Amino acid sequence: KAGVTQTPRYLIKTRGQQVTLSCSPISGHRSVSWYQQTPGQGLQFLFEYFSETQRNKGNFPGRFSGRQFSNSRSEMNVSTLELGDSALYLCASSLAGQGRGNTEAFFGQGTRLTVV
Amino acid sequence: AQSVSQHNHHVILSEAASLELGCNYSYGGTVNLFWYVQYPGQHLQLLLKYFSGDPLVKGIKGFEAEFIKSKFSFNLRKPSVQWSDTAEYFCAVRAYAGNNRKLIWGLGTSLAVNP
Repeated sequence: KAGVTQTPRYLIKTRGQQVTLSCSPISGHRSVSWYQQTPGQGLQFLFEYFSETQRNKGNFPGRFSGRQFSNSRSEMNVSTLELGDSALYLCASSLAGQGRGNTEAFFGQGTRLTVV
Repeated sequence: AQSVSQHNHHVILSEAASLELGCNYSYGGTVNLFWYVQYPGQHLQLLLKYFSGDPLVKGIKGFEAEFIKSKFSFNLRKPSVQWSDTAEYFCAVRAYAGNNRKLIWGLGTSLAVNP
């Protein structure tokens, strides 16, 4: 069974640009969550999508947005990039909310975004 | 608001030493509990999990954790660490509040094991 796939793996962008990151969850998983990981800050929750609807949202500015498609694939967009947006962006999928006991989150390899 | 606290941010041990990483959460309802590990350069992977039943759970690579409901704790233990256990360890709690299944994370503990 294929795992969570994130593309691209690495990205370098200039301040002020926008970026779109993609995540394909494990087949059958309808919950997709996005996290920002930086040294010393741990995992900062961005948002969670479930069946194309945003179910939870973290405390990030409106420049960070996301969406989920009918096939559960998700995209995350960051507009007007700032230097501080440089981080590893992680996507996780799970069965949470699908009426099953196992709510373990499965993570992708992440997208390393560098803003210069 | 729900939160997860990991008491140790950086831990340095010698091989064969025992390990205990603390994790406390603040939520009085039903929870699922997890420990994840991130080895250098690798993605986050599940170490062990607790959903129900025996509060002492065993995970991969000799790790175990004990859920103590009265203390809202889920501490991670390993009797004898190896150099290959050098990694970042994250405690996470999925709190069930109505239809909300939000996964809440601790800040992580960086473990360095000296050979």
